[in-house]
Amino acid sequence: DSGVTQTPKHLITATGQRVTLRCSPRSGDLSVYWYQQSLDQGLQFLIQYYNGEERAKGNILERFSAQQFPDLHSELNLSSLELGDSALYFCASSGQVNTEAFFGQGTRLTVV
Amino acid sequence: LAKTTQPISMDSYEGQEVNITCSHNNIATNDYITWYQQFPSQGPRFIIQGYKTKVTNEVASLFIPADRKSSTLSLPRVSLSDTAVYYCLVGPMDSSYKLIFGSGTRLLVRP
Repeated sequence: DSGVTQTPKHLITATGQRVTLRCSPRSGDLSVYWYQQSLDQGLQFLIQYYNGEERAKGNILERFSAQQFPDLHSELNLSSLELGDSALYFCASSGQVNTEAFFGQGTRLTVV
Repeated sequence: LAKTTQPISMDSYEGQEVNITCSHNNIATNDYITWYQQFPSQGPRFIIQGYKTKVTNEVASLFIPADRKSSTLSLPRVSLSDTAVYYCLVGPMDSSYKLIFGSGTRLLVRP
């Protein structure tokens, strides 16, 4: 158990819909990262937050948005979903001075 | 962000030592080298991190030459369960660190 909790574990939804993925980082970790991993593809970095502020942005689509709340949990919002958005979405957290990042078990999103 | 280059894939047999080399020619003075392991449908897991020379833990060893332009992850006596993708990351150990993964090395351990 990495200490990073992602909910839900599985999500099936229709094209055009909007979903919210949630991530609770390890206690005390200030950084949260979001990734997308499609079948047999690499980990695509989406966005990073540090203590509530956006720190870095990767290849995140305009239809996607995220935020980190004062209690440090984070949400990734995916809207106008397309079939190609079907993927595993991972969240990771790390401490203030990064020595090791811990990943959640992921949310498997299926868009039908 | 230092660019890293790793072999796309490697094959090995159970019980052998596996060495995966990562090239990072433009590593900065304050960059550390970190390796992660990822099994299918799971999030990556930290293996080892180092700055120079050699680091060893219960899972692996990390060899870093004096010029730090490359590093080698060494897995002693691999088993079938070591079949995974291994990622080499290079970056500073502070909050500016961008946890960006490359393509990694797909290691297949055969019986």
